[in-house]
Amino acid sequence: KAGVTQTPRYLIKTRGQQVTLSCSPISGHRSVSWYQQTPGQGLQFLFEYFSETQRNKGNFPGRFSGRQFSNSRSEMNVSTLELGDSALYLCASSLVLAGGQDEQFFGPGTRLTVL
Amino acid sequence: KNQVEQSPQSLIILEGKNCTLQCNYTVSPFSNLRWYKQDTGRGPVSLTIMTFSENTKSNGRYTATLDADTKQSSLHITASQLSDSASYICVVSPSRDTGRRALTFGSGTRLQVQP
Repeated sequence: KAGVTQTPRYLIKTRGQQVTLSCSPISGHRSVSWYQQTPGQGLQFLFEYFSETQRNKGNFPGRFSGRQFSNSRSEMNVSTLELGDSALYLCASSLVLAGGQDEQFFGPGTRLTVL
Repeated sequence: KNQVEQSPQSLIILEGKNCTLQCNYTVSPFSNLRWYKQDTGRGPVSLTIMTFSENTKSNGRYTATLDADTKQSSLHITASQLSDSASYICVVSPSRDTGRRALTFGSGTRLQVQP
């Protein structure tokens, strides 16, 4: 079974631009979560989608948004990029919504650099 | 504020040696604690998960322990291999029903195994 895939793997943008990252979950998984990972802050939860609906949201500004399609693939968008948005963006999929001991499977991430 | 503290921040050991990584948390109430391994340029992979009623959980050469009274967990790696070089992240979930926004991540321990 194929794992979680993320595209692109690397991205370089300049301040003020916007960016869209894509995530394809493991086949059959309906929950997709997004995380930002930086050396200073570690992993931070952005949002979770299940059945095309945002079910959980972390403490990030409205410049960060996402959506999920009917095939469970998900995209996240960051508008008006800032230098501090430089990070590894990780997508994780799971069978169900968070709860109990469900395991998330992470993709390799998209490394975003904002110049 | 819920926090997860990991120590040491980084560690260098010789191949074949054992090591122990520490995770202290203040998350309450507590549901489960998970250890992840993250290779450079890859997403985290789950090693073990423990609920508050479990004291130890093994996965091959990895053994995690949990003391829910002192709110401490450790990850012991036996007979280290070069492939163990990675970051190890401790993640605590406060409750079955609070969703992923409540996950608290440690900043990780970077382990380097040298030949």
